[in-house]
Amino acid sequence: GAVVSQHPSRVICKSGTSVKIECRSLDFQATTMFWYRQFPKQSLMLMATSNEGSKATYEQGVEKDKFLINHASLTLSTLTVTSAHPEDSSFYICSAKPQGARGYTFGSGTRLTVV
Amino acid sequence: TQLLEQSPQFLSIQEGENLTVYCNSSSVFSSLQWYRQEPGEGPVLLVTVVTGGEVKKLKRLTFQFGDARKDSSLHITAAQPGDTGLYLCAGFKAAGNKLTFGGGTRVLVKP
Repeated sequence: GAVVSQHPSRVICKSGTSVKIECRSLDFQATTMFWYRQFPKQSLMLMATSNEGSKATYEQGVEKDKFLINHASLTLSTLTVTSAHPEDSSFYICSAKPQGARGYTFGSGTRLTVV
Repeated sequence: TQLLEQSPQFLSIQEGENLTVYCNSSSVFSSLQWYRQEPGEGPVLLVTVVTGGEVKKLKRLTFQFGDARKDSSLHITAAQPGDTGLYLCAGFKAAGNKLTFGGGTRVLVKP
């Protein structure tokens, strides 16, 4: 089946630094990928839609200058959390839908802790 | 207010009992998907329902899509501890090309 690989699985960073999270579609091409954020015991909230070769589309309330998205190839999207603060600590998950598939494939998530 | 309302938010039952999770909306969706998520992992697709009134079975799990394509339910028969997890419904609208998740139902099946 389709696989989406997300890296790193866990990261701890200091306040004020930036962190990059990678999302790769391993056996299919993805012109569109999606980035979600999930707080403990809550559901997934869509942050942005990453589009290959063009600008990402951000959901209302998500700061595009803080959460930089780059989708430079058909198999890779990156999310960079810039100038991280403790309130950015969360579980970040990416997803993509292989062509013809009935549902989305999700990465295994990245647990970000900002100290 | 969430576009998709899931109920209950939490369900604790004994092994062997049955359970039903509901997913309701005032919006019509092109399709509705059910996912199961374990702690520290991404959601895994269980099923996609597309046609109003559709019923799909996956072993002990039965999924139903409402006639008007606004609501869905997940029924688990004879639940087992391995069914423990966060169950998420998600509606897809082709026009927006994105998935909207319900609030999730946390299921705990005690041995």
